[in-house]
This record gives sequence, C-alpha cells and structure tokens, in this order.
Amino acid sequence: DAGVIQSPRHEVTEMGQEVTLRCKPISGHNSLFWYRQTMMRGLELLIYFNNNVPIDDSGMPEDRFSAKMPNASFSTLKIQPSEPRDSAVYFCASSLVGWTGRRDQPQHFGDGTRLSIL
Amino acid sequence: AQKITQTQPGMFVQEKEAVTLDCTYDTSDPSYGLFWYKQPSSGEMIFLIYQGSYDQQNATEGRYSLNFQKARKSANLVISASQLGDSAMYFCAIQTGGFKTIFGAGTRLFVKA
Repeated sequence: DAGVIQSPRHEVTEMGQEVTLRCKPISGHNSLFWYRQTMMRGLELLIYFNNNVPIDDSGMPEDRFSAKMPNASFSTLKIQPSEPRDSAVYFCASSLVGWTGRRDQPQHFGDGTRLSIL
Repeated sequence: AQKITQTQPGMFVQEKEAVTLDCTYDTSDPSYGLFWYKQPSSGEMIFLIYQGSYDQQNATEGRYSLNFQKARKSANLVISASQLGDSAMYFCAIQTGGFKTIFGAGTRLFVKA
C-alpha cells in the first residue's frame, strides 16, 4: 500500500521565491496535517484538514504561508515570499479521524520535504 | 490546552538492555490518545504504539510497551532488548478532541554496542 507521498524531497531556492510543497495522503484517510520541524522549535503543527476542510490553521506562522486541499487526494503548502527562516523539514501526515472523535488513529507521515531558503 | 513533556533530551543504553523513555502530559479532556513515534536519522516518522485514556491495560507492540499511569499523567515507553537499530529520536504525542495532536520535544536514544 502506498503511504503518504510528498514532493519534492528537497528544495533549495532563493529568498523571495515562491515555494510549493505537495502531498498525497493515504487513500481513504479523511484528515491531513502539515508540520514543520526545526532543531530550535521541534515539530510544529501548521494546519490540518478534515474532509478537505481546514479545521485549524492557528499554527501557520504568517500570512506568507497558505495551504489548500482541493480534493481528498491532494494538498499543497505554499510559502510566498520565502525567507531564510522558513528553512526546515516540512512533513505531511494523514489519518482516519471521524467527527465522533476517535482518538486511536495514528498519523502516517510522509518522508518530508527538506527546504532550504538561501 | 494539551501539553506533552519529555524531560530526557538524550539517553544511552547498552545493547540488549531495556530502556524507559519518559513522557508526561497535561489535558483537561477525559478522552484522549497517547502515541509514540520513532524518527531515525533518515528522517521519517514511524508510529510505534498507542494507548487510549480508557484502556485498562498497558499497550504492548513487540519489544515496545507503554507504562501508562493515568493518575500521574505519564505514558513512558519501554523498549526491551535494545538493538543498534533503535538508535533514533522518539516522540510522545497526545491527541484529544478536534483531531489536534501535540508532540513533545523528543528524546534521542543512543544504543551502545
């Protein structure tokens, strides 16, 4: 079975450029999460979706960050304009969570995108 | 608000010995789930084990077990018979209502040959 697929695996770009990270969740999962991991701040939840609807974006650091989930099999995280402090590993994860509030479903993570902003 | 605390930034263990990684949590929600994940140096996040707040027994998965003490709000991970491949970062996480999952800062485990 295919896991969560993220692309690209690595991205190096110059400050000010637009960056788009992509994620394909596991088929059948109804929740999708975007995380950022840095040495200083650890693993931070940026935003999560349920049934393609953004539920909580309070972790998105600034207006430069935006995320979309146009359908159940695709999500993007966009940074525009990018800055050196955005350099991090960005993870996408998916899980099967219902409105009944089941809390026993683990999140399945993609391999991450290592982003470097010069 | 939920909170996860992992007080051990780094731990050493001799190969074939058992090791306990500490995790304490705080939440006002009576229903919650606790998870442990492993992150090897290659970077991927691997789900290890789950414990529900209403589970009567401690969770076990192979060499992994969870020492769940609800009154003390702790969910320590026990790895038995450590192997060199267990060297990694380990994260404790809590999930409550609303899908949100909060991760701890992690503990880096070093297994010595």
